[in-house]
Amino acid sequence: GAVVSQHPSRVICKSGTSVKIECRSLDFQATTMFWYRQFPKKSLMLMATSNEGSKATYEQGVEKDKFLINHASLTLSTLTVTSAHPEDSSFYICSAQGDPYEQYFGPGTRLTVT
Amino acid sequence: GDSVTQMEGPVTLSEEAFLTINCTYTATGYPSLFWYVQYPGEGLQLLLKATKADDKGSNKGFEATYRKETTSFHLEKGSVQVSDSAVYFCASFGGTSYGKLTFGQGTILTVHP
Repeated sequence: GAVVSQHPSRVICKSGTSVKIECRSLDFQATTMFWYRQFPKKSLMLMATSNEGSKATYEQGVEKDKFLINHASLTLSTLTVTSAHPEDSSFYICSAQGDPYEQYFGPGTRLTVT
Repeated sequence: GDSVTQMEGPVTLSEEAFLTINCTYTATGYPSLFWYVQYPGEGLQLLLKATKADDKGSNKGFEATYRKETTSFHLEKGSVQVSDSAVYFCASFGGTSYGKLTFGQGTILTVHP
């Protein structure tokens, strides 16, 4: 149980375009999901906390207009990187909060902006 | 705010060697503590956890004990395998960072045959 999927696993997009990443909790409902960014050989940086039915809470320094988060249902949160640039290339990982307060991580999405 | 500090890596060991990865935390209150493992190109998997002082988490031969007096949660394994090669993250949940995991910087472990 407690499986979280992400789609796509890898994506390459051109500079200036937008890309959407989906995070799904497959066998449980998650009121809260989290989005992280991981640079090569670095730890995870929390970008935002996504709450179903309300606006996401962004960490300091994360541009909310660039990284749009939508948590429309109890099993799906999406992260849209708008007007992507090469510096947005990274490994994006989501997690879903289960019970009690344990986070289950998705497999990650490798974004490359050319 | 809360913080987690892990020993510097990378760590390179021969198969069947003993492993210790140190982790210390600072937090107000009594956070839960976790070790996550990340294999190349993958997300994080929970390895083990402890929710209160003196609890010992264990899984797949790995162990860690929640030591409140030393604010530590060191990861140990008696005999590592090549398949244990991965990045290991120590994390805390609770304290002042309510609702969020606070991660250490990660330790890269490479095990040679």
